[in-house]
Amino acid sequence: EAGVAQSPRYKIIEKRQSVAFWCNPISGHATLYWYQQILGQGPKLLIQFQNNGVVDDSQLPKDRFSAERLKGVDSTLKIQPAKLEDSAVYLCASSAPGQGAGGYTFGSGTRLTVV
Amino acid sequence: GENVEQHPSTLSVQEGDSAVIKCTYSDSASNYFPWYKQELGKRPQLIIDIRSNVGEKKDQRIAVTLNKTAKHFSLHITETQPEDSAVYFCAASRRTLTDKLIFGTGTRLQVFP
Repeated sequence: EAGVAQSPRYKIIEKRQSVAFWCNPISGHATLYWYQQILGQGPKLLIQFQNNGVVDDSQLPKDRFSAERLKGVDSTLKIQPAKLEDSAVYLCASSAPGQGAGGYTFGSGTRLTVV
Repeated sequence: GENVEQHPSTLSVQEGDSAVIKCTYSDSASNYFPWYKQELGKRPQLIIDIRSNVGEKKDQRIAVTLNKTAKHFSLHITETQPEDSAVYFCAASRRTLTDKLIFGTGTRLQVFP
């Protein structure tokens, strides 16, 4: 089966600019997660979708981050305006119905550098 | 809130030796504990997992043990090889239909030939 697709792979922006990342999960995977992985740290959940509804966004910095999954398939994560501390790899993952945390498949990630 | 602590942060071993990585979780409702291997610049890959109704699980050179009372779980790699060099992450979850994985901070394992 095709994997979780993410784009772009790399992005360099200046602070205060905006940026958007895209994720296309595995077909049929209802649950989609966005994680932020800062260098040297474990992935931290930003937001979790079940179909097109938000399940958990408690750690999403809502003053600058937003995410949507309008049709319950692909998703975009936006940062506006970006800060230096947003430099990280943004990982998207999806899981199949009934699998939940046990069926994660990660995308390759988008490496963001804010200068 | 939910938290997973992982130790050590770095681990260097000689090829053929064993490596042990330990994690402690805070949420007593956690019942699913996967381990991921992440090579440089690549996505995390699931290498083994364990559920709370099992105390130990083994897959060739890799084993995971779980102590629910102490809220500890550990990854054991025997007969290490240079290709085992990577960052390893533990995680915990309630493994409901929608629940999330909480990751540890990672252990960088280096296996020297």
